Amino acid sequence: DAKTTQPNSMESNEEEPVHLPCNHSTISGTDYIHWYRQLPSQGPEYVIHGLTSNVNNRMASLAIAEDRKSSTLILHRATLRDAAVYYCILRYSGGSNYKLTFGKGTLLTVNP
Amino acid sequence: NAGVTQTPKFQVLKTGQSMTLQCAQDMNHEYMSWYRQDPGMGLRLIHYSVGAGITDQGEVPNGYNVSRSTTEDFPLRLLSAAPSQTSVYFCASSYFGQRGPRGAGYTFGSGTRLTVV
Repeated sequence: DAKTTQPNSMESNEEEPVHLPCNHSTISGTDYIHWYRQLPSQGPEYVIHGLTSNVNNRMASLAIAEDRKSSTLILHRATLRDAAVYYCILRYSGGSNYKLTFGKGTLLTVNP
Repeated sequence: NAGVTQTPKFQVLKTGQSMTLQCAQDMNHEYMSWYRQDPGMGLRLIHYSVGAGITDQGEVPNGYNVSRSTTEDFPLRLLSAAPSQTSVYFCASSYFGQRGPRGAGYTFGSGTRLTVV
């Protein structure tokens, strides 16, 4: 399985933008980039996913490098409720894409 | 729209006891899976299913059984509980392939915290 590399932790201030990086240099053309987050004492929550183009939704934006070897999850205005562990995961787009392999993710701390 | 429902939320077992963790989803998802999460670690896949009647092992299957008789339900059975199975268990489901607005993004339950003494 293609692997991802994320910083162990990051810190941000409330109402400021946050850019969470992810490296995936061995990504294949059929891998989607998925982001999940896990708030304390909760199950992981889907945030966003993309293949080649940048993506936006109500929660975040996903910026994907042109060579697809890295991506960045952007929280436009961090709130205290965004404090969580953020996981960047590659998911094969074909039929056998049932497995999600979680790394340790990035622990985001948001300061008031 | 309940999503993925896990029961119970908390459970304490004695070593050697058996029990079943329940998982149900109402989104007509083909894929369902069970993960466990130990302190300070990421989630590890226990078992998964790609449809009713079809199950397979994940990364850490020993000591657990699953079955999938319906699309909606995917129970996880602990045959003889051991202290090493103390963990938080998450059930997750998703569509097959990329259909749906989440493009096969998983929906997770809120978890079952299991302690084996």
